[in-house]
Amino acid sequence: ILNVEQSPQSLHVQEGDSTNFTCSFPSSNFYALHWYRWETAKSPEALFVMTLNGDEKKKGRISATLNTKEGYSYLYIKGSQPEDSATYLCASNTGTASKLTFGTGTRLQVTL
Amino acid sequence: DVKVTQSSRYLVKRTGEKVFLECVQDMDHENMFWYRQDPGLGLRLIYFSYDVKMKEKGDIPEGYSVSREKKERFSLILESASTNQTSMYLCASSTLRQGSYEQYFGPGTRLTVT
Repeated sequence: ILNVEQSPQSLHVQEGDSTNFTCSFPSSNFYALHWYRWETAKSPEALFVMTLNGDEKKKGRISATLNTKEGYSYLYIKGSQPEDSATYLCASNTGTASKLTFGTGTRLQVTL
Repeated sequence: DVKVTQSSRYLVKRTGEKVFLECVQDMDHENMFWYRQDPGLGLRLIYFSYDVKMKEKGDIPEGYSVSREKKERFSLILESASTNQTSMYLCASSTLRQGSYEQYFGPGTRLTVT
């Protein structure tokens, strides 16, 4: 994998559903994997930064896992709420530690 | 809280005009970045800077230049704006914290070139 890829591109779920997204990234020269949430009319905000293979992070109903050997990360949202509606971006540091390569994002819409 | 501000939220310019987009951060971060975001393409890096007066090209530098005369300020310059530069522009800054370079973003400038 040469680029950071995210799937699905968009997702529409009902309130209370649990959902997950995938981020694939180059596994060579890996430094860190970032997840951001970007709500409409706001700035992207960091959710998680993960560096170690097998890392799992959690913030409320949102959690993420990391597999650096195979180059993927999953983001899980348990019991989706309308306020979770946003675009979720993942980004990888590879090579240059301070520079991020972003995926195109997964746009989540949660309806009542 | 880290604060990254951008000079304008919305900007409309004519083809051929010189355009300046300003970004200021207040947390003494050494790294600053300019991205553009277009539908279906995600955030693409235009230029970044890791120190005052230092700059490096990102993935799509053509048609842009940057200036970093002070640590807190990073300017993006469109020497002669073209319609294909209509986009959302995001500035970000970062420093090494707890082993990683988490980026902090400004609110974005939506530029329309007519």
